[in-house]
Amino acid sequence: QVQLQQSGAELAKPGSSVKISCKASGYTFTSYYISWIKQTTGQGLEYIGYINTGSGGTNYNEKFKGKATLTVDKSSSTAFMQLSSLTPDDSAVYYCARDLPPYDVMDAWGQGASVTVSS
Amino acid sequence: DIQMTQSPPSLSASLGDKVTITCQTSQNINKYIAWYQQKPGKAPRLLIGFTSRLVSGIPSRFSGSGSGRDYSFSISNVESEDIASYYCLQYDNSPNTFGAGTKLELK
Repeated sequence: QVQLQQSGAELAKPGSSVKISCKASGYTFTSYYISWIKQTTGQGLEYIGYINTGSGGTNYNEKFKGKATLTVDKSSSTAFMQLSSLTPDDSAVYYCARDLPPYDVMDAWGQGASVTVSS
Repeated sequence: DIQMTQSPPSLSASLGDKVTITCQTSQNINKYIAWYQQKPGKAPRLLIGFTSRLVSGIPSRFSGSGSGRDYSFSISNVESEDIASYYCLQYDNSPNTFGAGTKLELK
């Protein structure tokens, strides 16, 4: 069955970076995009952007440009999101999801990766 | 960005009740709305896409309707396993945007 397995929880210092992984299985990896979503108690669910797993092309929510960098390794069916210049506002649970924009919806999600930014 | 006004923020229901959640969008989204269920500590789970298309394996007590800027999601005959938070998502316009969520509790 379709599975997206994300890397574990991260504790990071302000100003540092973290890289979260999302390993896909159970389907043809390059037939779908991977989207990333941020969830916090205060702001709810926010869409970060997606990566075309075949071409590596990306589309970012303006709010996350400069904060998130999406990459992919087709050989291992894994997508990555790097978050840079971390501040406490970046503390959240981050999800990856299988997607097929523009007119299909995120139908399978990873289990989430918690990022805590604290000195 | 398209704004999603989801209501109510919380809902209290008895087992067997019918409940309805609404999402109003800031512009026409051409029925490109989905509904997700989320339980504590878990990822959102897709229930309905394109306004009313039930995902395979999702019970028929879940339904969706709407058009233009106004959409609704209903659960008929609420069961204990339905206790969760529910979110709408528009995917007509980039970036995708979510409603603030509705927390369904047992009365």
